[in-house]
Amino acid sequence: GAGVSQTPSNKVTEKGKYVELRCDPISGHTALYWYRQSLGQGPEFLIYFQGTGAADDSGLPNDRFFAVRPEGSVSTLKIQRTERGDSAVYLCASGDGDNEQFFGPGTRLTVL
Amino acid sequence: DQQVKQNSPSLSVQEGRISILNCDYTNSMFDYFLWYKKYPAEGPTFLISISSIKDKNEDGRFTVFLNKSAKHLSLHIVPSQPGDSAVYFCAASAFQGGKLIFGQGTELSVKP
Repeated sequence: GAGVSQTPSNKVTEKGKYVELRCDPISGHTALYWYRQSLGQGPEFLIYFQGTGAADDSGLPNDRFFAVRPEGSVSTLKIQRTERGDSAVYLCASGDGDNEQFFGPGTRLTVL
Repeated sequence: DQQVKQNSPSLSVQEGRISILNCDYTNSMFDYFLWYKKYPAEGPTFLISISSIKDKNEDGRFTVFLNKSAKHLSLHIVPSQPGDSAVYFCAASAFQGGKLIFGQGTELSVKP
């Protein structure tokens, strides 16, 4: 079946702009996770949803970052007033909430 | 505060030999450990996991060992194949389905 998909695959924006990154999880997966990965580092946790609610948002770096999952399926990560330090690969994963997480290919965000 | 550490950024092994990748953690609340493999421009792919109630889990050529007293886990790949060349991440969580804390990764190169 289809895996986790993320759009866009690449996003280039200017400092100060607003961006939205989309994640389509594997059908039927109740848990959805967002991570970001900087060059040479492992993925860093941002937020995870169980159904429609954020079960843990402790990894969001500041209030410029926000994520939603209104119908318990697709999720959108929103970044306001982007900064150059936000440049990274943003990874989405989904799971059944009990076992391993399945990752999408990521969105490479570049803030100029 | 790096809770999960992979101290070897790279490892080179001859085809057919054993690859051993190591990982240390500091948080005694971690209860579930996983290994992921990542190719360039792709998301991490789940390899194998282990619960803290076990000390070994095997799946084909891959075996994960957990030493709770030392807060150490390792991934053994036997025999190593050129297609195993990738970056390997260990990850830990406080419970199955929870947020993952990743190490920095080890780049494995298997030479023919």
